[in-house]
Amino acid sequence: EAQVTQNPRYLITVTGKKLTVTCSQNMNHEYMSWYRQDPGLGLRQIYYSMNVEVTDKGDVPEGYKVSRKEKRNFPLILESPSPNQTSLYFCASSLSYIEGYEAFFGQGTRLTVV
Amino acid sequence: RKEVEQDPGPFNVPEGATVAFNCTYSNSASQSFFWYRQDCRKEPKLLMSVYSSGNEDGRFTAQLNRASQYISLLIRDSKLSDSATYLCVVKLTGGGNKLTFGTGTNLKVEI
Repeated sequence: EAQVTQNPRYLITVTGKKLTVTCSQNMNHEYMSWYRQDPGLGLRQIYYSMNVEVTDKGDVPEGYKVSRKEKRNFPLILESPSPNQTSLYFCASSLSYIEGYEAFFGQGTRLTVV
Repeated sequence: RKEVEQDPGPFNVPEGATVAFNCTYSNSASQSFFWYRQDCRKEPKLLMSVYSSGNEDGRFTAQLNRASQYISLLIRDSKLSDSATYLCVVKLTGGGNKLTFGTGTNLKVEI
């Protein structure tokens, strides 16, 4: 089954404790991205990757890191989480960045930083 | 001004009603347009792309007005299962396929 898989689905952590949210897709998609969704603000892009070893900042990259060592994986790293990073996070992938291909989303990770 | 603006609703409509949502976008360089559906904080899923000539998929019709920079979604014969949040999504030319999302319009279809 074609899908984007995120883990964990739910996470409660403390301020400053490094964490990684994993994202994996099995569709051989070139393009992957991370979004956060907050009430009243919609989905905002954090980082994106057009292919292996190619990553770039989105609209709200502060406090986040990503890597793209393999085509299928695109982990999101919070080196020192803070309470303002409490949010619902979605990973997405699409076949290509060139045209408006459909974006497939993971099921989301609900992160709470206390 | 937000790049993509939608009326958040909620729109409460009876089953069988016709309901229309509008969305406006601010950047005239926008290239591609979509409607996504999101159920109760689950992941967004593509409902339909929006083409300049307008397009229809069953009970759903999407239209684009580039001159006025707005997109519309019409749902005919509403079903209970249509209850969801509808996200207007715009892609700019270039920019690495960045999708810009509206905050969504909440629809509740009632018996």
